[in-house]
Amino acid sequence: SQQGEEDPQALSIQEGENATMNCSYKTSINNLQWYRQNSGRGLVHLILIRSNEREKHSGRLRVTLDTSKKSSSLLITASRAADTASYFCATDARAAGNKLTFGGGTRVLVKP
Amino acid sequence: DGGITQSPKYLFRKEGQNVTLSCEQNLNHDAMYWYRQDPGQGLRLIYYSQIVNDFQKGDIAEGYSVSREKKESFPLTVTSAQKNPTAFYLCASERGDRGSGANVLTFGAGSRLTVL
Repeated sequence: SQQGEEDPQALSIQEGENATMNCSYKTSINNLQWYRQNSGRGLVHLILIRSNEREKHSGRLRVTLDTSKKSSSLLITASRAADTASYFCATDARAAGNKLTFGGGTRVLVKP
Repeated sequence: DGGITQSPKYLFRKEGQNVTLSCEQNLNHDAMYWYRQDPGQGLRLIYYSQIVNDFQKGDIAEGYSVSREKKESFPLTVTSAQKNPTAFYLCASERGDRGSGANVLTFGAGSRLTVL
């Protein structure tokens, strides 16, 4: 079973709007990461947040982590058409042998 | 530029044939991984290797085989025993920096295998 589950599965927004997606997981983690995948391509690492961190920023990305709720959110501010992609959370957990476990992803469509 | 190269990008196979997907990295990373991705789905781990001449099964290893004779190379063979091999296959590498918790993966562009 997947450690991380993203919500929503798909998201459609207008350019300039913010996009928020969530990730829930089941076991204690060392860190949680977000990756982006353009259609038919490999994944690209966006941001990593450690279990003792609550919020992290990188450019237009903001990630939060709530270990008490076992959840994380990724916010993309002022979205652009080029942000259209699938976004995956991945958890690094001792229960999984410290290997990354990926969720099913959120497909984001940013309409110009 | 450092990176991961997967080949071929597209591959067609007849039922009953084995095929080998290539993965080469020049990042000097210790660990390498193979994932399978089905349409609209997340990634599932097939095999991984943390050091040369050693590899471990992931969650869906049945019908697949790997080798790690060189640090730079981690080829994946999809055997005829894999019942549903049509999928997108992704190779990744990870720098061995577990002490800082920075286990970030770098991915190749993927290989799409279609069984006819």
